[in-house]
Formats: sequence, structure tokens, C-alpha cells
Amino acid sequence: ETGVTQTPRHLVMGMTNKKSLKCEQHLGHNAMYWYKQSAKKPLELMFVYNFKEQTENNSVPSRFSPECPNSSHLFLHLHTLQPEDSALYLCASSQVPAGIGDTQYFGPGTRLTVL
Amino acid sequence: GEDVEQSLFLSVREGDSSVINCTYTDSSSTYLYWYKQEPGAGLQLLTYIFSNMDMKQDQRLTVLLNKKDKHLSLRIADTQTGDSAIYFCAESRHNQGGKLIFGQGTELSVKP
Repeated sequence: ETGVTQTPRHLVMGMTNKKSLKCEQHLGHNAMYWYKQSAKKPLELMFVYNFKEQTENNSVPSRFSPECPNSSHLFLHLHTLQPEDSALYLCASSQVPAGIGDTQYFGPGTRLTVL
Repeated sequence: GEDVEQSLFLSVREGDSSVINCTYTDSSSTYLYWYKQEPGAGLQLLTYIFSNMDMKQDQRLTVLLNKKDKHLSLRIADTQTGDSAIYFCAESRHNQGGKLIFGQGTELSVKP
């Protein structure tokens, strides 16, 4: 247990569906992240939130929409996804985004399959 | 280049030492990390080293940093079957706000 939880752990959706991924951290951290992990590729940073404000959008398509209502919760809203979006989506948190205390702790991930 | 590079596979016998290597790219990186990922799980932080250190030891784990060559290694002593996993190195790029850049991961297979 890293103190970062993600739900659901597995999700299968059609290309026309709308679904949301949820992440919660119990570490008192102020920064939260979404990563995409595809087979045979390095982790790709998608979004960064610092004190609830989005500070990075790494050229992610608009069919992925993040939401950070407070420093403990992070959502990733999904709509009209493509099969190539199938991947493991990992959430992470850190005390601050950079410098001392920026060690990132990861959740278990949501395995997403788009049919 | 932009990439953090690792070899993709390593196979060792139980009880031997494992050495996983990584080269990174940004000399201003402040922290370098090793994460472990078991099947179906997220990334577990194993250890990290600050860039002004050459070595860090934590029980069976030894991290060596050669800043001149931008080379990082993770040595696991007395490797056990439970160490079988994918190991990722990552650099925290100081000039990009501490953005973590990951390697592709090294799959460690430990044979009895």
C-alpha cells in the first residue's frame, strides 16, 4: 500500500462510452499526476496538478479530460476513446512537483481496454 | 537525446547478484530513482539517490551514480524469486520543473 488508491482497477469500454477514472491519495501531498503506460513504451506523463491547478498538459488529446477538485482527489474523464488508448493508467502524487520532496508515489493503476 | 535508456531484459539465478544499468541525459537532474513494478501492479518506489552522491546502500540494494558518464546502476544482492519484476529508472529534470522521465524498464527474471 503506497497511500494512493485508484478505481476501478479494470475497465472495458466501447468507443462511444463515457467513463471516469478516480485517484485518491492519503499522504497529504499537494501534487498529483496522470501517466499512461503502454506495452513496450516508457511511461508517458499526461497531466500534472499542483495545489489543484493544472500545471502541465503533455499534448494529451481532448478526449482525456482531467479534474482535480482538491489536493487529495484526481479524476480522468474519458469519452470517445480509440482502441490505441488501451493501456494502464497510473496516478501518482508527490509532496511538491519539484525539488526536495518531489518523490512520486504511485497507485496500482487502472487497466483500460477500449473495444 | 531525450531518452533514458535501459536494457530490456536481465536473467539471473537465485542467490546471485543482479545489476541493472541505466543511462540518463540531463546533467542538471537532481534526483534519480529506481521503481519496481510487479505484474498487474503500479510502480513501487525502491530507492533514490541525490545527484551529489556517488553511492547509496539500502539493505540488499546498492545504487551507484557516475555523474560524469550519466550512468546509474542498481545492484540487488542475493537476488530472490520475489525480485522478479520490471525495474524502471527515472531522472527528475531540474530544468523542467522536476519532471520525471522514465526509462523503458528492465525485466528481471530470477531462476531457481
